[in-house]
Amino acid sequence: EPEVTQTPSHQVTQMGQEVILRCVPISNHLYFYWYRQILGQKVEFLVSFYNNEISEKSEIFDDQFSVERPDGSNFTLKIRSTKLEDSAMYFCASSGTMNQPQHFGDGTRLSIL
Amino acid sequence: AQTVTQSQPEMSVQEAETVTLSCTYDTSESDYYLFWYKQPPSRQMILVIRQEAYKQQNATENRFSVNFQKAAKSFSLKISDSQLGDAAMYFCAYRNYGGSQGNLIFGKGTKLSVKP
Repeated sequence: EPEVTQTPSHQVTQMGQEVILRCVPISNHLYFYWYRQILGQKVEFLVSFYNNEISEKSEIFDDQFSVERPDGSNFTLKIRSTKLEDSAMYFCASSGTMNQPQHFGDGTRLSIL
Repeated sequence: AQTVTQSQPEMSVQEAETVTLSCTYDTSESDYYLFWYKQPPSRQMILVIRQEAYKQQNATENRFSVNFQKAAKSFSLKISDSQLGDAAMYFCAYRNYGGSQGNLIFGKGTKLSVKP
């Protein structure tokens, strides 16, 4: 069964550094999402992406965040200047249409030191 | 804004028994989707079951079924014949139907333990 894949599984970064989290959505999917989950808390929506542009973003997704689909397969989340509070599990998800279920990757654990 | 509430932080069930996890939500929309996701210790988010609000029939997937009460805005998950592999965090989630808001809104989760 097709899967959403995320790399790396664990990223450790110094505060203030830039980090790029990578995702390969399911190949025929058109809608892409990033969520984050701070340890012990609920999963929170960050951003959705469709037709090469952001379709919706939450208040968490401020100017330090950006997303990109640099080619036909990858979907990336960039955090420009990381802060301690950015430490979390980041999940990528994709769906074929907006109304189809979202399939999640295994997540990237981001640790900011 | 839509909200999802899971009032049971932790639940426990004996292997082979049945357990019900509660979820309530708030929305002014009439068409929407509801989901249950499972997150085992490996942290992967796995879709368990989905319910469309316009369908009166409760969704069922093998040992998993829901009790969808639209008027009460309640969406509980029943796990029958519980297995050790069912131990996980379970998240209830809501999503609008159509429009531009395809994002999922999650509850805080219920940690399910299964006792052998």
